[in-house]
Amino acid sequence: AQKITQTQPGMFVQEKEAVTLDCTYDTSDPSYGLFWYKQPSSGEMIFLIYQGSYDQQNATEGRYSLNFQKARKSANLVISASQLGDSAMYFCAMREGFTGGGNKLTFGTGTQLKVEL
Amino acid sequence: DAGVTQSPTHLIKTRGQQVTLRCSPKSGHDTVSWYQQALGQGPQFIFQYYEEEERQRGNFPDRFSGHQFPNYSSELNVNALLLGDSALYLCASSPDRVGAFFGQGTRLTVV
Repeated sequence: AQKITQTQPGMFVQEKEAVTLDCTYDTSDPSYGLFWYKQPSSGEMIFLIYQGSYDQQNATEGRYSLNFQKARKSANLVISASQLGDSAMYFCAMREGFTGGGNKLTFGTGTQLKVEL
Repeated sequence: DAGVTQSPTHLIKTRGQQVTLRCSPKSGHDTVSWYQQALGQGPQFIFQYYEEEERQRGNFPDRFSGHQFPNYSSELNVNALLLGDSALYLCASSPDRVGAFFGQGTRLTVV
């Protein structure tokens, strides 16, 4: 069963507008972490934001915020004030459990974001 | 502070050959994971090394093997290359739960 689902293969947004990228997940582990990564055409995966399953508040990092709805098992990424440089592929990923040394991430299929003038 | 570095950046190999990819983790990180990303897909976990031992493994055949050295750097070896092994290979390092930091990847083409 797919553990991370990103239903938007492609998204367009106007420069300076906000955009929400959807991510739903499935796990039976009460301890898990959710991540968002940006992958430009160069290939490098750039870490954007992290949300732990026990975190009480939604994570924020600059223009990025994570809309975490635990009951709905969703972890949507919100990018405010989009910039042309935000055009890239965005991946949602999950890590189950917090055991020492464990760092296996399960990724979704990604959303290609295009920021337009 | 250097991030995660991988070498080489690009590689072309012939079917049946063997290849070794290298990764140096971010300073202070002792856990290294390898991922395979086929074109148009999300990365798939290959395996993870911690304290010089393979700790977790994804659904990859034994043709994929690895090693971690005392300085935490790591190698990924792939034997008997298939055309389907063509992909971007990403190395990630982490000290703990807060994210995995990725290198720029090695783009392997098997012809």
